[in-house]
Amino acid sequence: AQSVAQPEDQVNVAEGNPLTVKCTYSVSGNPYLFWYVQYPNRGLQFLLKYITGDNLVKGSYGFEAEFNKSQTSFHLKKPSALVSDSALYFCAVRFNTGGFKTIFGAGTRLFVKA
Amino acid sequence: NAGVMQNPRHLVRRRGQEARLRCSPMKGHSHVYWYRQLPEEGLKFMVYLQKENIIDESGMPKERFSAEFPKEGPSILRIQQVVRGDSAAYFCASSPGTGDYNEQFFGPGTRLTVL
Repeated sequence: AQSVAQPEDQVNVAEGNPLTVKCTYSVSGNPYLFWYVQYPNRGLQFLLKYITGDNLVKGSYGFEAEFNKSQTSFHLKKPSALVSDSALYFCAVRFNTGGFKTIFGAGTRLFVKA
Repeated sequence: NAGVMQNPRHLVRRRGQEARLRCSPMKGHSHVYWYRQLPEEGLKFMVYLQKENIIDESGMPKERFSAEFPKEGPSILRIQQVVRGDSAAYFCASSPGTGDYNEQFFGPGTRLTVL
């Protein structure tokens, strides 16, 4: 079955430290990969995506993500976390099964402590 | 360019009533998606529509739920005879549909509370 996993419900990091939010997937074919962020009482906002090409993708607010085909992972990273980065992060995968479908991970809550 | 609009932002219904949630996609977007988010949970796909067509409704409950995206006007998610378990945030997203790799743009959501 097609699936997306975000193995950590919550990630805690101190401000100024690097952060990583993990995402792994299991889908057939070559998927398109996305990260979204959700702030309280708001809809999701697009951060970045991997379609093809360079495995390192740079996105909004200083975030980046690395596509690793052999490990079927697409971890979100930022070199130096800010308190304002505290939010809920969702990984999403879009794939073709006779029509394109998008599935979202369960989300990872990031807490950045000052 | 206005983003995805959803209304109402908050909706309170008593058990057995009907709930109608509206979504106006971004200008130029012809694809609409509906998702449900329960407290402290992720997004669950419900339905994917293009103008006048339901493309994928595999996430829609078989009863009481329906969706449409008419040629003119917003997309509507309709829940008949609501029950307490329907209480959730419902998000609409749109995409231009010019490529299957497009990201989705989300509205602010409608928070449905069933008393």
